[in-house]
Amino acid sequence: DAGITQSPRYKITETGRQVTLMCHQTWSHSYMFWYRQDLGHGLRLIYYSAAADITDKGEVPDGYVVSRSKTENFPLTLESATRSQTSVYFCASSEYREHSPLHFGNGTRLTVT
Amino acid sequence: EDKVVQSPLSLVVHEGDTVTLNCSYEVTNFRSLLWYKQEKKAPTFLFMLTSSGIEKKSGRLSSILDKKELFSILNITATQTGDSAVYLCAVVRNSGNTPLVFGKGTRLSVIA
Repeated sequence: DAGITQSPRYKITETGRQVTLMCHQTWSHSYMFWYRQDLGHGLRLIYYSAAADITDKGEVPDGYVVSRSKTENFPLTLESATRSQTSVYFCASSEYREHSPLHFGNGTRLTVT
Repeated sequence: EDKVVQSPLSLVVHEGDTVTLNCSYEVTNFRSLLWYKQEKKAPTFLFMLTSSGIEKKSGRLSSILDKKELFSILNITATQTGDSAVYLCAVVRNSGNTPLVFGKGTRLSVIA
């Protein structure tokens, strides 16, 4: 089915471990985004990408790494997970930066113990 | 610092009531304003507003933008329990390292 899918839906990991969250979209949208959503903070942008091999930092990039070798995939890696990275992570895509709305995946709930 | 402020943070209404949700913004390089509805999972798109004074409507929901006073409102008439959700407002910028700036949302609860 067309759309944007995230995996896993739920993940529990320990402090210090590396974790990768996957995001795949079938629309061939140019732009892809990673957000985290926390109570009291709303949605905050971690990284975004305008095209394959082009990525930019958002508001809260520290502790995260992204890559975009193919247009349809935009994985987010936590290099050494910390408890403060416990959150719900949303991947999103849009056709254009300014002119089109974001389409969100269903999210990954990550717990770091 | 760019910011988007939504009010109220939460409200509880009875079915059939009309509600107005507010979104004010202070954002450089404003391009457009988006409204989303978030139930249990991902936010879903409601409206995109780019011009002042032009109302967008979809069923019982409507929204309007005032670029002079820097705010938008989302109206929901004849509310139903299915309208219970968090409503998010986001401002799209023409440039800058954050393409969209989100507000923290308004949590609406509609009780029967």
